[in-house]
Amino acid sequence: KNEVEQSPQNLTAQEGEFITINCSYSVGISALHWLQQHPGGGIVSLFMLSSGKKKHGRLIATINIQEKHSSLHITASHPRDSAVYICAVAGNNDMRFGAGTRLTVKP
Amino acid sequence: DTGVSQNPRHKITKRGQNVTFRCDPISEHNRLYWYRQTLGQGPEFLTYFQNEAQLEKSRLLSDRFSAERPKGSFSTLEIQRTEQGDSAMYLCASSLGAGANVLTFGAGSRLTVL
Repeated sequence: KNEVEQSPQNLTAQEGEFITINCSYSVGISALHWLQQHPGGGIVSLFMLSSGKKKHGRLIATINIQEKHSSLHITASHPRDSAVYICAVAGNNDMRFGAGTRLTVKP
Repeated sequence: DTGVSQNPRHKITKRGQNVTFRCDPISEHNRLYWYRQTLGQGPEFLTYFQNEAQLEKSRLLSDRFSAERPKGSFSTLEIQRTEQGDSAMYLCASSLGAGANVLTFGAGSRLTVL
């Protein structure tokens, strides 16, 4: 079993839909990162959180430390949101990554 | 500072050749990480440096792989006697301090071993 599990692996949505991507982890962490990777592009950090909830524009990230679970929500999704979303958990020294969720938003 | 810079962006080599990738992190970042990413997978940790000290190496990093950060600034990742299985995107990231700080990634160096 991977230390960081994401679901779903692939997600197709219509423009305007509300999107949820989930991340569960099994190790102790100091922080959790949500990253975005566009096809052929580099990785961009969206959020880093260690408790509660953060919001940036149409993106919301939540984390439940007790349940070792985090969610990334996208409201009013748009085709430009199409990308791979990666959950990464930070320990003291390194980071472990989920396999990513490939999101496709159709117009 | 324009972020984390990696070069070359793409390297095509024949099996058995040596390749070297360079990463220039954000100047004030003391931590530098190397990751490998294959198609359809999330990044896998390879190694990381705090300043010039290499503090952890993944078991994925065989003896054909070596990484250095001689002056605590830029880093190089060398792969000797490349194999087709080494074909991947090699990502560098840097941060100020430990994992609970924002991680900034480079665009990656894609290696294709023929």
